[in-house]
Amino acid sequence: TQLLEQSPQFLSIQEGENLTVYCNSSSVFSSLQWYRQEPGEGPVLLVTVVTGGEVKKLKRLTFQFGDARKDSSLHITAAQPGDTGLYLCAGVPGSGYALNFGKGTSLLVTP
Amino acid sequence: NAGVTQTPKFRVLKTGQSMTLLCAQDMNHEYMYWYRQDPGMGLRLIHYSVGEGTTAKGEVPDGYNVSRLKKQNFLLGLESAAPSQTSVYFCASSYGTTYNEQFFGPGTRLTVL
Repeated sequence: TQLLEQSPQFLSIQEGENLTVYCNSSSVFSSLQWYRQEPGEGPVLLVTVVTGGEVKKLKRLTFQFGDARKDSSLHITAAQPGDTGLYLCAGVPGSGYALNFGKGTSLLVTP
Repeated sequence: NAGVTQTPKFRVLKTGQSMTLLCAQDMNHEYMYWYRQDPGMGLRLIHYSVGEGTTAKGEVPDGYNVSRLKKQNFLLGLESAAPSQTSVYFCASSYGTTYNEQFFGPGTRLTVL
């Protein structure tokens, strides 16, 4: 199993602050996905990045895939309480189709 | 469309009891998966299926069995439950394309006493 390490594990910030969470691996992935999971619910796909160096924006969320396709980051601008949740990165290894998940970053945004 | 549904939402078992978790999807997806999620461990793949009538082992298959008799359903069985199987179980499905983007159900919280 190719490991995906997420950091930080926990993050507690106030509304309006910016933050970045990271997803790193020593292995190459053909694509990386970011999911958000709210308490008591299943993960929901936010974005898929597939090209090294790719940047995708989803409103206040900016996702970047590293040039070598071994890492990714999620930046949230002006966080809101509705952004609270567990953020998971998941990668498809170079061969195969089973997703490898990171352990997640738990984000709490307080008013 | 209901997406991915799971039955039941909560269950409490005694050690040694058996049960079956049902997952259903209405998106005509080929691939289906069962994960367990534990604190500090993330999502771990138990078993998966790449089509009707097929199943394969994931990362943590011991103590579980699965069946995919119909394309839309994927069943997860515990023959003799153990306290170590206390967890939240998620079913997911996907088209099985290159990026394998997955759609998850709401989860089943299982406690084994």
